[in-house]
Amino acid sequence: EPEVTQTPSHQVTQMGQEVILRCVPISNHLYFYWYRQILGQKVEFLVSFYNNEISEKSEIFDDQFSVERPDGSNFTLKIRSTKLEDSAMYFCASSHREAGELFFGEGSRLTVL
Amino acid sequence: GENVEQHPSTLSVQEGDSAVIKCTYSDSASNYFPWYKQELGKRPQLIIDIRSNVGEKKDQRIAVTLNKTAKHFSLHITETQPEDSAVYFCAARLSGYSTLTFGKGTMLLVSP
Repeated sequence: EPEVTQTPSHQVTQMGQEVILRCVPISNHLYFYWYRQILGQKVEFLVSFYNNEISEKSEIFDDQFSVERPDGSNFTLKIRSTKLEDSAMYFCASSHREAGELFFGEGSRLTVL
Repeated sequence: GENVEQHPSTLSVQEGDSAVIKCTYSDSASNYFPWYKQELGKRPQLIIDIRSNVGEKKDQRIAVTLNKTAKHFSLHITETQPEDSAVYFCAARLSGYSTLTFGKGTMLLVSP
C-alpha cells in the first residue's frame, strides 16, 4: 500500500538554525499539506499546496516558513531561523482530490534547543 | 475560522465495553467530519468519516453520528479490544476548503 514518507524522523537543532523537513507524498496525489503537533496539543494546519503554489496557509505559517516541491516527488518544509516554540511533530499529508481523504506520514519530530 | 472541541481527553474502558468520544464544531459551513486513529509512534490513520448529508455511518464495530443542528458528532466503538487503544482525533472541514481542523485528541485505553 502506498504511503507518505517523511525524513528525518527526528531532528535536533539549535535555535536560529535553518531546518528542512522532507516528505514524499503518494505518487498520484495532487494536494499536499503540512500540519504540526506540539506535544500534548492538537494537530494544527500549517499550509496546503497544489499546482506548485500555496493554496491555503494558517497564521502559524509566517515568513519563517516556506514550502517547495523541488523535483516532482519531494515536498519540503523549511524553517529559516528556528525558535524554541517550533519544537513539535511535523506531519506531511497528501490527498488525491481537494476534498479527498488525507494520508499522513509518520511525522518528523523537531526539537529546538 | 473553525474550532473543534473534543471530549474526553482520556477514556479508560474494559475490554468488551463501548466507548464514545464526542466533538463539537463551531462553523455550520463545515460539511466533512473524519476520525483518525493514532497509535503510539505511528501516523494518524483515517478510520471513518461522515459528510453533512448523512446522520449516521457504521463500519463493523465503529460508528459515527452527526447532529448538524447541534453541531456535534460522535465516535462510537462497540465491543472494544485492547488493540483499539490509541489516540483518536476528530476533525472538521469547511465546505470549499481542503484543510482539516482537528480536536485535541482522546487517549483511549482498553484494559483486558
